[in-house]
Amino acid sequence: AQTVTQSQPEMSVQEAETVTLSCTYDTSESNYYLFWYKQPPSRQMILVIRQEAYKQQNATENRFSVNFQKAAKSFSLKISDSQLGDTAMYFCAFISGGGSQGNLIFGKGTKLSVKP
Amino acid sequence: DVKVTQSSRYLVKRTGEKVFLECVQDMDHENMFWYRQDPGLGLRLIYFSYDVKMKEKGDIPEGYSVSREKKERFSLILESASTNQTSMYLCASSLWGQGYGYTFGSGTRLTVV
Repeated sequence: AQTVTQSQPEMSVQEAETVTLSCTYDTSESNYYLFWYKQPPSRQMILVIRQEAYKQQNATENRFSVNFQKAAKSFSLKISDSQLGDTAMYFCAFISGGGSQGNLIFGKGTKLSVKP
Repeated sequence: DVKVTQSSRYLVKRTGEKVFLECVQDMDHENMFWYRQDPGLGLRLIYFSYDVKMKEKGDIPEGYSVSREKKERFSLILESASTNQTSMYLCASSLWGQGYGYTFGSGTRLTVV
């Protein structure tokens, strides 16, 4: 079975510092997609960043970047220059890229608090 | 701006009531999903649909049913609400194909008393 594990239930960081959220996944497939979603207190789930497994280059979106280690099945999210608005639950998610229409599988989430 | 709209932000229902949670998307997406979110358990898939009038069970379908009569609308039905169905319910939609990710609604917090 495909699984996604986020080993850090809660984290905190000082404003303007850098924080890394961990995610590991388990799959036997070679083609898949990985995502990080953010859920602020407003509850709206927002897509932060997306990585295609066949691309070796790590995805970046402004202050958000990933460290994708395919062999280790690791997909960590780095947030640089943390801002108060980054306070949220962060979910790592996986979907297979095979011929069938799969569904997103989510980790249990990491609650990030950015402190002033 | 593309949207997934859930009809209620907060809902309080009594045990045994039939409850309808409505979700509408304006992006012409083929796929629609209902998740339940509980602290420490993450998001769990209840039902999904890849096309009109089509539905598939997710990981926790017991006690729920769904309806998709039109492409843009996906309804979650609690046939006889119970207190263990008190939760946050999230609707999502996506294009056909695995790589696009999902667009989520802002959730319905349901309390069953």
